[in-house]
Amino acid sequence: GAVVSQHPSWVICKSGTSVKIECRSLDFQATTMFWYRQFPKQSLMLMATSNEGSKATYEQGVEKDKFLINHASLTLSTLTVTSAHPEDSSFYICSVQGGSGHTDTQYFGPGTRLTVL
Amino acid sequence: GQSLEQPSEVTAVEGAIVQINCTYQTSGFYGLSWYQQHDGGAPTFLSYNALDGLEETGRFSSFLSRSDSYGYLLLQELQMKDSASYFCAVNNAGNMLTFGGGTRLMVKP
Repeated sequence: GAVVSQHPSWVICKSGTSVKIECRSLDFQATTMFWYRQFPKQSLMLMATSNEGSKATYEQGVEKDKFLINHASLTLSTLTVTSAHPEDSSFYICSVQGGSGHTDTQYFGPGTRLTVL
Repeated sequence: GQSLEQPSEVTAVEGAIVQINCTYQTSGFYGLSWYQQHDGGAPTFLSYNALDGLEETGRFSSFLSRSDSYGYLLLQELQMKDSASYFCAVNNAGNMLTFGGGTRLMVKP
């Protein structure tokens, strides 16, 4: 598979502030990373596809100006939640596709739990 | 649109066998994946079926029938640590995943 890390693992912030979440592919170069959001007791919802060196592709209903994605290198993608509000509180998870396992498979990071007060 | 259906909850006892079914309606189907997620944790890849048939990995097996748009995850010799949520996910074009709602498995002594 692939080894993926995220930082921070959890964050608490005040309403109106911005929070940056990092996703790193530790053992191979990932041209594509994915960002998901998961609310309690619900499924994972794809937010956007992050492509190295180009603009991210956002899913319908996801505000690209609110959730800024930067995939500046083959091992790092960042998600910035701008002007966060309590309704943005969620579990944010990134994934990379491929690695040493199935090339069609996505491997997930440990997730970042965001709480907005 | 795309949709995946799986039972919301399943309960079984230690040592038993449980099957979690998944039916899907989707376009651009490339394969069916299964993930395990413990409370508070991230999804962990279990198996992937691109072709019809059974894939076996230790105590876990996964089956796919493309003609029936149906698959299942089979867990044998259940252990307490298998208590978790299990998600089926369709691999779409662009290697994107669309997840089912998840099945919460409770293993009892």
